[in-house]
Amino acid sequence: DVKVTQSSRYLVKRTGEKVFLECVQDMDHENMFWYRQDPGLGLRLIYFSYDVKMKEKGDIPEGYSVSREKKERFSLILESASTSQTSMYLCASTSGETVYEQYFGPGTRLTVT
Amino acid sequence: AQKVTQAQTEISVVEKEDVTLDCVYETRDTTYYLFWYKQPPSGELVFLIRRNSFDEQNEISGRYSWNFQKSTSSFNFTITASQVVDSAVYFCALSELNNTNAGKSTFGDGTTLTVKP
Repeated sequence: DVKVTQSSRYLVKRTGEKVFLECVQDMDHENMFWYRQDPGLGLRLIYFSYDVKMKEKGDIPEGYSVSREKKERFSLILESASTSQTSMYLCASTSGETVYEQYFGPGTRLTVT
Repeated sequence: AQKVTQAQTEISVVEKEDVTLDCVYETRDTTYYLFWYKQPPSGELVFLIRRNSFDEQNEISGRYSWNFQKSTSSFNFTITASQVVDSAVYFCALSELNNTNAGKSTFGDGTTLTVKP
């Protein structure tokens, strides 16, 4: 059974803290994605990666960075968390062979106070 | 640029009613893929169906059916005899096939379906 796991379901951080969100997939997928989901705004792509150490900006990369040191792991970093980054964060992965569906993790609900 | 529009923000039906979720897309590519995902209250998006731009056959899977019409750039999703367990947010998504894509999809804003007993 395919699996995408995220390090936390719920997270509460203070303004200005550095925050790490971890995502691991066990499907040997080349492509991995970070989205944030806010009411009425759907899923917005923050960053994606198509290979180890490769990363591309999505639609809303400001205030975020990512790291992909191993194929199975894709980390989202909030360098200095702000209240505007309170959101649901979703990680996904997909095969790089062609266009396939994405597999999603359970999400991390981050609250920045 | 690609775009996916789900005009219905929220739909509420009574159990056993049929319901159709609309999805309209825009793309300049001739080769693309369309998807539907379901996000139940637990939060994890689950893949339902994938369709490529060359396959306009409708698909039926149990109570679910999908109607793909290139002429109107639509990929609508119908649930027949809805059940309470169908209550979820449903997302339509589009992915273009090109070398820079890396499997990216553009998602619609989602339609929240509530099925009342």
